Amino acid sequence: GAVVSQHPSRVICKSGTSVKIECRSLDFQATTMFWYRQFPKQSLMLMATSNEGSKATYEQGVEKDKFLINHASLTLSTLTVTSAHPEDSSFYICSARGRQGASQPQHFGDGTRLSIL
Amino acid sequence: DAKTTQPPSMDCAEGRAANLPCNHSTISGNEYVYWYRQIHSQGPQYIIHGLKNNETNEMASLIITEDRKSSTLILPHATLRDTAVYYCIVRGTGANNLFFGTGTRLTVIP
Repeated sequence: GAVVSQHPSRVICKSGTSVKIECRSLDFQATTMFWYRQFPKQSLMLMATSNEGSKATYEQGVEKDKFLINHASLTLSTLTVTSAHPEDSSFYICSARGRQGASQPQHFGDGTRLSIL
Repeated sequence: DAKTTQPPSMDCAEGRAANLPCNHSTISGNEYVYWYRQIHSQGPQYIIHGLKNNETNEMASLIITEDRKSSTLILPHATLRDTAVYYCIVRGTGANNLFFGTGTRLTVIP
């Protein structure tokens, strides 16, 4: 089945550091990629949606200058958390979907646990 | 997208069938019913989806009522590794995103 690879799986870094998370679709062309955030004991919350070659669309309350998203190819999207602070500590999950739309499933990476000290 | 309602938690004995219900009474004709699960500290895993007909794959069966206002995910022989949060999601062809509600926390008991 379709596979989405996310890297790294865990990051621990100091406050003020910028962190880049990669999301790759391994066996299909991901025309749309999604970035979610999940805080402890809560459900996934969509942060932004990106289409290949276009600027990402951010959900209300998500700072686009803080969470930089690049979707430069049909198999790769990156999320950069700039100048991360302890409140940015969370579980970040990417997801990808091909051209078929709602009739086909969206596939998820295994997530990146970000801990800012 | 139509909202879904799921029980917050369920228990199931190992080896027995787990039947997870979902209500989606406001579903419209072009909306699919999707099921995902999330095992602790992992990304969501796709299980199954359907539009009108019942569906079965190697993981589970999906039973959708004739009026499409509710569905049931069936794990035929639950194992301890099936312990997870199960999300029922309704998504239409025009929708971009999957909206995750609170799901059902299934605990498989030895």
